[in-house]
Amino acid sequence: EPEVTQTPSHQVTQMGQEVILRCVPISNHLYFYWYRQILGQKVEFLVSFYNNEISEKSEIFDDQFSVERPDGSNFTLKIRSTKLEDSAMYFCASSENRAVNTEAFFGQGTRLTVV
Amino acid sequence: QQQVKQSPQSLIVQKGGISIINCAYENTAFDYFPWYQQFPGKGPALLIAIRPDVSEKKEGRFTISFNKSAKQFSLHIMDSQPGDSATYFCAANSGGYQKVTFGTGTKLQVIP
Repeated sequence: EPEVTQTPSHQVTQMGQEVILRCVPISNHLYFYWYRQILGQKVEFLVSFYNNEISEKSEIFDDQFSVERPDGSNFTLKIRSTKLEDSAMYFCASSENRAVNTEAFFGQGTRLTVV
Repeated sequence: QQQVKQSPQSLIVQKGGISIINCAYENTAFDYFPWYQQFPGKGPALLIAIRPDVSEKKEGRFTISFNKSAKQFSLHIMDSQPGDSATYFCAANSGGYQKVTFGTGTKLQVIP
């Protein structure tokens, strides 16, 4: 069964450092998303991406964040200068289309720990 | 207004019992209400979903009840099994784009 894969599974970084989280969406999917989940809290939408541009972003997704599809398979989330409060589980997701009842498939997540 | 409120925060149910999780929303623009199941170390996975023009949807042991006028919906898990132990998130979205607004989650434990 096709799945969304994320690397690394766990990343530890020092405050102020840049991190890049990587995702390989399901191959025929056109819409890509990042969500985050701070430990013990709800899953929060960060950004959606389609046709090489951001479709929608939340207020969390400020200038410190950027997304990119550098090639035909990867989808990345970059945090330029990490803060302690960026520590969370980051989930990538993808869907075939933008129809409201289309399932978005989530990856297993990357746990980011900022120290 | 974008929030989805979920209760209870945690739930312990005996095997064979009924698990009930409740959610409420305010934004009337929401037009799709999925439930996600998340096991430890995994991403959320779609369990069942409902559109607001339907009052109930059943898939196997899982049923969503939807009350549009009250802006409330709930998940019922019949004959709960230990394998159902997970965190359940209700959610809502609108207008496509899969910008899903998640509830705060309910940690369900089904004990033998």
